Parts: sequence; structure tokens; C-alpha cells
Amino acid sequence: NAGVTQTPKFQVLKTGQSMTLQCAQDMNHNSMYWYRQDPGMGLRLIYYSASEGTTDKGEVPNGYNVSRLNKREFSLRLESAAPSQTSVYFCASSEDETSGNTIYFGEGSWLTVV
Amino acid sequence: GQQVMQIPQYQHVQEGEDFTTYCNSSTTLSNIQWYKQRPGGHPVFLIQLVKSGEVKKQKRLTFQFGEAKKNSSLHITATQTTDVGTYFCAGPIKGNTPLVFGKGTRLSVIA
Repeated sequence: NAGVTQTPKFQVLKTGQSMTLQCAQDMNHNSMYWYRQDPGMGLRLIYYSASEGTTDKGEVPNGYNVSRLNKREFSLRLESAAPSQTSVYFCASSEDETSGNTIYFGEGSWLTVV
Repeated sequence: GQQVMQIPQYQHVQEGEDFTTYCNSSTTLSNIQWYKQRPGGHPVFLIQLVKSGEVKKQKRLTFQFGEAKKNSSLHITATQTTDVGTYFCAGPIKGNTPLVFGKGTRLSVIA
């Protein structure tokens, strides 16, 4: 049982380049999330998808777009990468978006923008 | 900005000493969750507290939810090197919306 799988694990981008982080979950969860983690800043929500067909902004959405491709997959796109987007990105999922549900995280994607 | 505050940001302890991290919210929380992230790893769910004044234990870990449901704590008795990592609390700031995570407390244990 893989849980939440995200790719790539590591990526180096040049400023202005674009890329998409892919995420898939096999737990039949309705809700999926993208977080970024920076030193001393904890986990900040970028975007989430409460259910298939819906997406909503989180705390730090600027510079990102998302697509809920189907129930399993939720991708995060950086259209024009900036050094400020250097971070560790975590995809996550839960049964639904209500707060009582456990959030399951992927292993993370380390992104460096130079 | 984040509305779940966690202190301290860092804690260094000798192996065998106790450790406590505190989580505070400006609003009443319907529940609070705790997660642990090992160095280089991803956050993993530890526990959820729902009731006012609730206390739960997991071996050497004791979790408390305040009477007003605005604060919580995690206490580790007799720390071990396996306890190293960052501990996050998370709560719903606005009703049933996605959890907001605190900035975490990074625990280092010196053998």
C-alpha cells in the first residue's frame, strides 16, 4: 500500500522555468493538499482540493496552480519559478476536508530554484 | 498568517530528560492533532484530541487538550534518541476547514 506518492523527489530549476509536481494517493480519499515547508515556518497550505472537481486557495497560493486530475491525482504547477519557491513540498490526503480527519503525507519533493 | 502558535521552536535535551511542547490558538478548536516529522522525513500523525480537558497517553508521550480547547501540550517522559524530530500541532481555525499547522518544535536529544 503506497499511500501518497509524489514525484519528483528532487529537482533543481532555473529562475523562470516551469515544472509540475505530481501526486497520487491510493487510499480512495476525497481531499488532497499541497503544503510547503520552509525552515522555521512550519507547514503552510498552498492549495487544497476538498473533492474531485474542486480546488481552493490555501495560505500561500501565489505563484502556483493546481489541477485535480481525478480522485487519485492532484498536481502542483509552478509556471515561472522564483528563488522564493525553493522549499520542500508535501502532497497530502485525507478522507475529506473536515478537520477531524487524519492527514497522510507523501515523502516530499525538494525543489531548489537558482 | 498562522494562528496556531507553538513553543518552543527548538529544544535540546539530554537523553533521559523530559520534554514538553505547547500549542496555543486564538480561537476555540473543535479538535487538535499532533504530528511528528523525523529529520529528512514527512509528518506522521500521532494523535487527535477532541474533548475539553482530554488527556491521552502513548507510552512515554502524554497529550493534553485544555479546558477551553484553545491550547494543548505534548509531554515526553525520559526522552530517547528515537524521539528526535519536529513535533507539530494542527487545528481547524475556521470551522471545518483544512488544518492549520503550528511552526513546530524541533527536539534534539543528546546521548
